[in-house]
Amino acid sequence: EDQVTQSPEALRLQEGESSSLNCSYTVSGLRGLFWYRQDPGKGPEFLFTLYSAGEEKEKERLKATLTKKESFLHITAPKPEDSATYLCAGGGSNYKLTFGKGTLLTVNP
Amino acid sequence: DAGVTQSPTHLIKTRGQQVTLRCSPKSGHDTVSWYQQALGQGPQFIFQYYEEEERQRGNFPDRFSGHQFPNYSSELNVNALWLGDSALYLCASSPGGQGDGITQYFGAGTRLSVL
Repeated sequence: EDQVTQSPEALRLQEGESSSLNCSYTVSGLRGLFWYRQDPGKGPEFLFTLYSAGEEKEKERLKATLTKKESFLHITAPKPEDSATYLCAGGGSNYKLTFGKGTLLTVNP
Repeated sequence: DAGVTQSPTHLIKTRGQQVTLRCSPKSGHDTVSWYQQALGQGPQFIFQYYEEEERQRGNFPDRFSGHQFPNYSSELNVNALWLGDSALYLCASSPGGQGDGITQYFGAGTRLSVL
């Protein structure tokens, strides 16, 4: 059975304090590893798709990386508006996305 | 370019009732997936529709059913509602044979409360 585990469950940072979120995965026939941002009461907003180990993608203060067992979301010099829940999901050969529980990020000014 | 749209945004039902949720995919997308998200949890896959057929199903009972129309829009039906069905229901669309075919884009969701 496919499994995705995210850590930590919650992370509190000061504005400008860089950190990383972790996503460990076991997904049969992985076709893509996805990162989403979700604000309270809203749907997940797509951030990145990573297709193979060694791949990296960047968007503003966010950088996602992928190994054969893990993915990391690096947040550089975060701002309060980066506060949200970040979800990781694996997409395998069975078309569905398997999500982790998410990391709740709070950035204090 | 309109994204994924879902209706209604909020719904309140009582136990035993039936509910229908609706979804219009992003322009150019032909595949629709439905997810259930309980409070504090990640989304759980319900099923996916492609070419008007259910292509894959998650671990949900037969009370959950769906449909996809020729214009690619979709409905999620839940019968015999119980309290545990209270959740945010998310629709996601993907471009099928276009692009990578697997990246899914989500709507804002329908918040269902069962009393």
